[in-house]
Amino acid sequence: QKEVEQDPGPLSVPEGAIVSLNCTYSNSAFQYFMWYRQYSRKGPELLMYTYSSGNKEDGRFTAQVDKSSKYISLFIRDSQPSDSATYLCAMSTTSGTYKYIFGTGTRLKVLA
Amino acid sequence: GAVVSQHPSRVICKSGTSVKIECRSLDFQATTMFWYRQFPKQSLMLMATSNEGSKATYEQGVEKDKFLINHASLTLSTLTVTSAHPEDSSFYICSVSRSTGVGYTFGSGTRLTVV
Repeated sequence: QKEVEQDPGPLSVPEGAIVSLNCTYSNSAFQYFMWYRQYSRKGPELLMYTYSSGNKEDGRFTAQVDKSSKYISLFIRDSQPSDSATYLCAMSTTSGTYKYIFGTGTRLKVLA
Repeated sequence: GAVVSQHPSRVICKSGTSVKIECRSLDFQATTMFWYRQFPKQSLMLMATSNEGSKATYEQGVEKDKFLINHASLTLSTLTVTSAHPEDSSFYICSVSRSTGVGYTFGSGTRLTVV
């Protein structure tokens, strides 16, 4: 079993839809949860991160962590064609290690 | 956060030759940089941790003699793929820890094609 599981997609939605992207994980020691966006042939860029459980909102993006279920989500409201990209989740423990574990990424396509 | 520049963005080389990829931290003194490899539809795989002024720390299964890492200054790390083979074709990305301490700033990546 992989430490982090993420559906690779692709996920196609119409413009304006609410998008839900998810990851599950197996290591209960993970405390930091991150979402990255990666455009084709580019390096990933950090969208937002959450420490421990709870929600965090930033504009049209909301990150949720459910540690009891070992499940994290990224919601995108009012999706735009410019949101079309691959979204990767990443996690790390609180031990101070720099070794973030990444999901495979979900390809999202927002249709105009 | 850090600004990371990676060059070249694309390179094609012949089998048996060596290729050097540069990663520069433009506004942040990075004692540690990280090199990742990404295959299509697969997650980022950490290859090695590059430590300024000392030897790199390689992940299990990564050939040290094939992927040479040099981190001679606080702003530059290089990855040299030696005696490249077609199976080395991949997307290589470097990263630097963010000043906030959470997450990385990634370079733009290098698409290596070995023919």
